[in-house]
Amino acid sequence: AQSVTQLDSQVPVFEEAPVELRCNYSSSVSVYLFWYVQYPNQGLQLLLKYLSGSTLVESINGFEAEFNKSQTSFHLRKPSVHISDTAEYFCAVSNYAGGTSYGKLTFGQGTILTVHP
Amino acid sequence: DAMVIQNPRYQVTQFGKPVTLSCSQTLNHNVMYWYQQKSSQAPKLLFHYYDKDFNNEADTPDNFQSRRPNTSFCFLDIRSPGLGDAAMYLCATSRDNRSNQPQHFGDGTRLSIL
Repeated sequence: AQSVTQLDSQVPVFEEAPVELRCNYSSSVSVYLFWYVQYPNQGLQLLLKYLSGSTLVESINGFEAEFNKSQTSFHLRKPSVHISDTAEYFCAVSNYAGGTSYGKLTFGQGTILTVHP
Repeated sequence: DAMVIQNPRYQVTQFGKPVTLSCSQTLNHNVMYWYQQKSSQAPKLLFHYYDKDFNNEADTPDNFQSRRPNTSFCFLDIRSPGLGDAAMYLCATSRDNRSNQPQHFGDGTRLSIL
């Protein structure tokens, strides 16, 4: 079984400050990792994903996440946040056990990022 | 733009009165998912279709059923809604069911029970 822990339920920051949203996972097999963002009253949007290759992945709007296998973490960072980044962020994992694995996503509990002016 | 569309965005029904939520997609994806998301919680997978094959999660209540008449449409039927079924219901699609495929979500239907 796989599980995801997002260590902070809420993260308040001021505009232009850096932010880190923490995500740790547990799995007995290899995983693929995702970050989704959910704005109020909307569905989830894929922010970035780690499938293989470079452990540092970036999104088009300045977020980045680094896969750390030894620490089983996939923390999300942004060096300077904007008011428009205010949203809920979900970390998710799916197992890969070789061959064709069913891509069931397991989500963390979410972190609400609030950016203050 | 290719997308996942859920109708209605807001649905109010009475306790015990059947309700149907709909989802359509223009992505031509093989897999469609239904999630339940309660306030301040992670989305919880209810079931999914891979093409016409239905896959129910073990802990999904019998009260919840789904239909997929064609590739583009998928419906969530709640036979006898209880107060605990008030939630946001999210539809998602993916190209196939491999683990590396990201899911594409609609904006959800918020269901209220009177």
